[in-house]
Amino acid sequence: EIVLTQSPATLSLSPGERATLSCRTSQSISSNLAWYQQKPGQAPRLLIYESSNRATGIPDRFSGSGSGTDFTLTISSLEPEDFAVYYCQQRRNWPPYTFGQGTKLEIK
Amino acid sequence: EVQLVESGGGLVKPGGSLRLSCAASGFTLSSYSMKWVRQAPGKGPEWVSSITSGSGTVYYADSVKGRFTISRDNAKNSLYLQMNSLRAEDTAVYYCATTLTVTNAFDIWGQGTMVTVSS
Repeated sequence: EIVLTQSPATLSLSPGERATLSCRTSQSISSNLAWYQQKPGQAPRLLIYESSNRATGIPDRFSGSGSGTDFTLTISSLEPEDFAVYYCQQRRNWPPYTFGQGTKLEIK
Repeated sequence: EVQLVESGGGLVKPGGSLRLSCAASGFTLSSYSMKWVRQAPGKGPEWVSSITSGSGTVYYADSVKGRFTISRDNAKNSLYLQMNSLRAEDTAVYYCATTLTVTNAFDIWGQGTMVTVSS
């Protein structure tokens, strides 16, 4: 099973700042990584697929990068609605699909 | 509009059973691989089970293998998860999800249904 480790667990920033979230996998997954955003009481929402492709309707302040075992989600300038929990997920080697434990992005 | 709506959650005693349903609208469920994903309180999502399009090959997480059964009813355009021998650690919000586009990711999710296993 591929283990995904996200860092930091919590990120405290202010609106307008740049956010950088990390996801590391226990083995190489090429570019088969997705990022999701989840707000309280809601289902996860797909942001980025195949490491760097924005899903439909996702603003261009969200970007993803990386391949192999190291991946990054960047939010270029935080909007108030971006404060949420973010998860990475791999599809390279399934079953099982696996998710990271999440990074909580909170307002400083 | 493409939509997934889960139902069937509730409170059940350890060792009990529950059947979750997921009604799809706006697309033909049998044409797509469908998944169940759960999320325990305060934890990240956990993939539970998948059923492929067409032949309907099924897959399960080790944590539920032998206890849970995924199935679908094409006529009702619905997905199901039969959960037997429930344990406290099965307590979670259960989502159905699918991949409708070229993303190869879980791009459509339902709103979830809560399952609580407690005596």
